[in-house]
Order: sequence, then structure tokens, then C-alpha cells
Amino acid sequence: DAKTTQPTSMDCAEGRAANLPCNHSTISGNEYVYWYRQIHSQGPQYIIHGLKNNETNEMASLIITEDRKSSTLILPHATLRDTAVYYCIKNAGGTSYGKLTFGQGTILTVHP
Amino acid sequence: NAGVTQTPKFQVLKTGQSMTLQCAQDMNHEYMSWYRQDPGMGLRLIHYSVGAGITDQGEVPNGYNVSRSTTEDFPLRLLSAAPSQTSVYFCASRNTGGETQYFGPGTRLLVL
Repeated sequence: DAKTTQPTSMDCAEGRAANLPCNHSTISGNEYVYWYRQIHSQGPQYIIHGLKNNETNEMASLIITEDRKSSTLILPHATLRDTAVYYCIKNAGGTSYGKLTFGQGTILTVHP
Repeated sequence: NAGVTQTPKFQVLKTGQSMTLQCAQDMNHEYMSWYRQDPGMGLRLIHYSVGAGITDQGEVPNGYNVSRSTTEDFPLRLLSAAPSQTSVYFCASRNTGGETQYFGPGTRLLVL
């Protein structure tokens, strides 16, 4: 069960949109895509999740390709406080949702 | 609600010592999990529980024991600490059908 693939690091200017890609070519039909972030050494924080439709909440938007093999997390107006490690995780939910598999994530640095 | 709480925040152990990391949640969540995070790495699942009296192993269970006698508490026991167990430990919980997994602030453990 391969983990997802993300770029090691990305930079973004404050106020601009941050687009974080994720490859999950081995995703199963019943698996969702979840995004979490970890600021400094705090516990991870849930951002958003989706199955096949695009999703939006107060924090971010999630764009999933039609074949579901990749997705993009969009932070529409990045701030310095969005500097964090962002994790893209595929998980079937239900009883397996307690068993998240984290990769190394993308270190997003937002510059003034 | 206090959310997910973990004690202690920091701990130094000598090789061979045993100790218990405490985790408690006041949200009446059924699912609870323990993860460890080594420097520069993503989180790895140690043990998880889908309800009181029910536990199962995760990706890296060796050297750790858990029990779940109440919904609120999910302690993690190190039987005989080893330097390889130096890490940051995170506890997490979520409710049945919930989409958000809540993480505690972490316990930083150093084994000498």
C-alpha cells in the first residue's frame, strides 16, 4: 500500500495562493484524500478531505483529478502562519481512519 | 472541552526503564490512536483503539503496550525503554463517522 508522493518543499509569497500537489496513483475506489498540516512541532491539524468531487471549506480548497490519481490543496491567500508541513494522506475512512499513514509531507514556507 | 491532553510534555529515561505516557480526551470519542514522530519524518502509527476494551497494532508496535479500559483514556506503556524509542509521541482521537482526527500536543521522550 504505497504512500502518497509530495514535493519535499515549496515557497509562496504572502497573500498569494499556495498550490500543493499530491500524487496518489495507487488510490483505491473507497479511499478518501485527507490533508493535514503540522505547524512547528505541534500535533497535526485537519484541513480538508474529499473522495472525488472538489471540496472547499474555510481553510482551503481541494481539487481532485477526474481519474483520482492526484490532487491539489489550495490555500487561497497564504499568510505567514500557514508556514507548516503539509501531509496528503489516502485513507478508506470508517474503522481504518484511526490508522493514518503519514509520508514526509511538503514543507511550505510563506515569505513576506 | 480540553480536547486531547497528553502528559508529561517532556521525559528523560535511562535505557531499560519503563514508563507510561498518558492520553485523555473529553469529547467522548470512540477512536484513539498513538503515533510516534522521529526527526524529519512523518508520523507512524503505534497502536490504536476503536472503543473501550478493543485495541490493535499499528505499523510500529514493538516495545509498546496499550489498554483501553475507559472511553476517555488511552495510555501507552514503554516496557523497557531503548534509545531507538527517542521520539515525539502524539495521541489522537475522533468520533465515529467524524471527519476530523484531533491530535494532542505531544510528549517528547529522550532515552539515554
